[in-house]
Order: sequence, then structure tokens, then C-alpha cells
Amino acid sequence: AQSVTQLGSHVSVSEGALVLLRCNYSSSVPPYLFWYVQYPNQGLQLLLKYTSAATLVKGINGFEAEFKKSETSFHLTKPSAHMSDAAEYFCAVSLTGGGNKLTFGTGTQLKVEL
Amino acid sequence: GAGVSQSPSNKVTEKGKDVELRCDPISGHTALYWYRQSLGQGLEFLIYFQGNSAPDKSGLPSDRFSAERTGGSVSTLTIQRTQQEDSAVYLCASSQDMNTEAFFGQGTRLTVV
Repeated sequence: AQSVTQLGSHVSVSEGALVLLRCNYSSSVPPYLFWYVQYPNQGLQLLLKYTSAATLVKGINGFEAEFKKSETSFHLTKPSAHMSDAAEYFCAVSLTGGGNKLTFGTGTQLKVEL
Repeated sequence: GAGVSQSPSNKVTEKGKDVELRCDPISGHTALYWYRQSLGQGLEFLIYFQGNSAPDKSGLPSDRFSAERTGGSVSTLTIQRTQQEDSAVYLCASSQDMNTEAFFGQGTRLTVV
């Protein structure tokens, strides 16, 4: 069985500050890991995914995530927050690289303040 | 179309009634997925279609839920005898195949009163 834990249901940062959203996973086999973003009244948009090719994964909108097997973590970061980054972020794990049987975390609502 | 299209965007129904939710995937995408997003349960996988293969129904919560995909394109999720706990946003997604990025629609918000 696979699972994902996102620490912090709400994170608030100042514009221009570092964004760090935490995700820890549990998987009995090497996993595929994903970060999705959801804007209000929108579907989910893929930010990035880990497929074992490289431990540091770069995604869209300046986000990146680092896979750390020893810590079973896949934290999402962005050096400088922008107001447009305010949204809900979901970490997910799967046995495949697509959209099948994604197991999602409970989400982290990111607020960006002036 | 340009993206995954779902209809209706909002649906209010009375407890006990049947509802049908529609998903138009991106043209050419062979894989199609249904997920449910609710306050109590978060995001949950429901069902997966891949080409002409038998669908993976392992996420359907009860036998009141069913889905079909006609002609390898449009999919319909049907909920029979709706209950209040069925209230949620139902998200559809599609991808070129099971290993490539899934694109999500905006969802159908179902409210059972």
C-alpha cells in the first residue's frame, strides 16, 4: 500500500520569500511522485513528477522538488513566492507515471501575503 | 477539444435520485480516470479506462456507482440512488497513455439534498 503525508494544511509566506511545502511518502516499491496545484474552482494541474531519472526535479512556474529516499520525502520548493502562487498544492504517489490510482495527500493551502 | 471538458459544472439532486456526469477527454487520449474530491475523504481514485481494456473499477465506493466509456472517448459516471455522502466534486482526467501526464477537467460539483 502507498500513502502520502503532507505536513501543514495551511502555509503562509510573504511575497518574495522561500516556499517550502512538505511531503513524506510510504511505498513498498520505488514510487512515482507528483506535485499538483489546484486554483479555486479549477481542476488539478501537474507541477512536476519524479520518475527516478533524477532526484532533483524541476517543474513549471519555478517550482522544484527533491526526492530523498533516506528521508522518504519529496518536498516542494520555490525560491521566491509570487502572489499568483496562492493555491492548494497536493502531493501524490503512484505505481505508474500517469494518472492511474494516484494516492493524494490532504493538500496544503498556500497563502502569499504582501 | 483543447482540454478535458466535464458537464454539468454543478448538479443539485434530491436524495434517492440517479445522476449522470459526463466527461469529454482530450482527443486522442487513450487513458481516462475519474476521481472524487470531498471534504471528508480528500481526493480519491474511482475508476480507470485504458483503450479497449476492461476498466479498473477498484476505487468505486459502492455498487451504486458505475461508469462507461463509449467508443473510447466520452465517459459517463452514473450514481444511482444518491446519498448525501455522495456530495463531492467529481474530477475527470485523461492522458495519452497510463505513463504520461494526466490532464484534469474542472470537475462537476454534486450536491445531494
